[in-house]
Amino acid sequence: GAGVSQTPSNKVTEKGKYVELRCDPISGHTALYWYRQSLGQGPEFLIYFQGTGAADDSGLPNDRFFAVRPEGSVSTLKIQRTERGDSAVYLCASRHRDGNTGELFFGEGSRLTVL
Amino acid sequence: KQEVTQIPAALSVPEGENLVLNCSFTDSAIYNLQWFRQDPGKGLTSLLLIQSSQREQTSGRLNASLDKSSGRSTLYIAASQPGDSATYLCAGYQGAQKLVFGQGTRLTINP
Repeated sequence: GAGVSQTPSNKVTEKGKYVELRCDPISGHTALYWYRQSLGQGPEFLIYFQGTGAADDSGLPNDRFFAVRPEGSVSTLKIQRTERGDSAVYLCASRHRDGNTGELFFGEGSRLTVL
Repeated sequence: KQEVTQIPAALSVPEGENLVLNCSFTDSAIYNLQWFRQDPGKGLTSLLLIQSSQREQTSGRLNASLDKSSGRSTLYIAASQPGDSATYLCAGYQGAQKLVFGQGTRLTINP
């Protein structure tokens, strides 16, 4: 696609529920990132994929958070037993190639509200 | 561990002024540094990417510089316009892959 696409754009759920957020990266981009942004803050790193594998998941806050990218393209961020503190905008980004020379492109984000 | 700081947190200037946004980082072994713009309720738009071997990049009225030895980057905006109002974020790489963001500077250009 032309840009990084994220769905849903908004998700309201109740505490304790399960949530999935989807990211469709720019076609051909092998690297995919998930970030979380709280109000008034900069984005915080969650996880990075190179192809199908999670190369760095050190930013996932706890084991309620999990992400997959089974075919090396679309990725899903999964949050179990949601808590009010999970409310934030979840941003996905992709980059053309591995290494440190590629520009990172972000989607519009999925705004999660946990009531 | 890479830490990125942006000062000031907010800035308000009259239209037409030239201005500078500041970004500092703790790890001088930075690979790339990228500046983004974020409009309210929107995602991040990439403005400029300065690769590790470069000292500056320019795009239109924007110029970004990188001084690895002092751990600083600046974003210069010439002839500011109300449409430039947004939050500006700088981000540096921790290692080769992980982008670490500052808190952002919220810029308001007054007509």
